[in-house]
Amino acid sequence: EAQVTQNPRYLITVTGKKLTVTCSQNMNHEYMSWYRQDPGLGLRQIYYSMNVEVTDKGDVPEGYKVSRKEKRNFPLILESPSPNQTSLYFCASTRTMGTEAFFGQGTRLTVV
Amino acid sequence: SQQGEEDPQALSIQEGENATMNCSYKTSINNLQWYRQNSGRGLVHLILIRSNEREKHSGRLRVTLDTSKKSSSLLITASRAADTASYFCATDAVGAQKLVFGQGTRLTINP
Repeated sequence: EAQVTQNPRYLITVTGKKLTVTCSQNMNHEYMSWYRQDPGLGLRQIYYSMNVEVTDKGDVPEGYKVSRKEKRNFPLILESPSPNQTSLYFCASTRTMGTEAFFGQGTRLTVV
Repeated sequence: SQQGEEDPQALSIQEGENATMNCSYKTSINNLQWYRQNSGRGLVHLILIRSNEREKHSGRLRVTLDTSKKSSSLLITASRAADTASYFCATDAVGAQKLVFGQGTRLTINP
């Protein structure tokens, strides 16, 4: 079954404690991206990757890092989380840019 | 920057009625896509319409695209309670290398 898997689904952490949200896709897609969703703001892109070792900033990259060492994985790293990063995060993958996007189930992050 | 703006922000109708949602955008696009999101869950792709297409159908969904007005509409016919969700348009703008989502329309179907 084609899917994008994010972990964890829920996470409560404290300010400054580094965390990683994992994302994996099994469709051999080239393009992967991370979004955050906040009430009234819709989905905003954090980072994207057009292929292995190729990543670029989206609209709200501050406070986040990503890596793309393998085609299937695209982890999101928060080196020093802050309360304003409390949000619902989604990973998505597409075969190539502009085609149908497949989304993970989301990670609800709370930073206290 | 937000490319797609959706209207209305919220829509509540009776089961069996048709629901229409609109999306406006600002720049030239390669295609426009519509997604559905059930509460707090991942988005699910509904339909993609290319810039050279004017109308597309998929089951009870009908999407139109007017590139001269930079707008699109999503029509759901014969609505069902299971259609209750948020609906987002997303644009693949020329040269942008990313999908940009609108803020969504929250649709409620009342039984």
